[in-house]
Amino acid sequence: ETGVTQSPTHLIKTRGQQVTLRCSSQSGHNTVSWYQQALGQGPQFIFQYYREEENGRGNFPPRFSGLQFPNYSSELNVNALELDDSALYLCASSKQGQQYFGPGTRLTVT
Amino acid sequence: KNEVEQSPQNLTAQEGEFITINCSYSVGISALHWLQQHPGGGIVSLFMLSSGKKKHGRLIATINIQEKHSSLHITASHPRDSAVYICAVEAGGTSYGKLTFGQGTILTVHP
Repeated sequence: ETGVTQSPTHLIKTRGQQVTLRCSSQSGHNTVSWYQQALGQGPQFIFQYYREEENGRGNFPPRFSGLQFPNYSSELNVNALELDDSALYLCASSKQGQQYFGPGTRLTVT
Repeated sequence: KNEVEQSPQNLTAQEGEFITINCSYSVGISALHWLQQHPGGGIVSLFMLSSGKKKHGRLIATINIQEKHSSLHITASHPRDSAVYICAVEAGGTSYGKLTFGQGTILTVHP
């Protein structure tokens, strides 16, 4: 158990729709990172939030956006979904360098 | 060329065998992580290394900063070790907590 939860577990959306994925991390974990993992690939860094501010972004377009809240929860929003957005989305919180991953949300775009 | 390369990509072993997974990286790092991912997606952190060697149970991780290389060893492998093992590096500074991942090594241990 990492103490990091994600919801929903699975999600099916249609191309062009918008989706919000949620992550809840442990108390005191001020940093949360989001990753996209396509089938058969390693995860790719989307962005990181630290104390509710974006703190770095990977090579993802602006239609990927996020929020972090004071209660250590965060959101990943994706607008105008494309078929290639189908993937496992992982969040990870950090404390003292140690990474704690959530179980992931599997998004399928049809 | 990826910043983090793992080998082998697939590994099959018999129960009890000694296993080694290798990771090479091309950037300066502050830490290297070894992670385990089971079917279904959940990722568990096994080790975080910045130098030397760490051991936890049957798992041993080593890193050579000068050679930009790390290895994960599993002694007396068991079918429950079957999983994907992923190496990830953290560049440090403003990149704290931002991981760059290898493509993973799929390990299958047969009884």
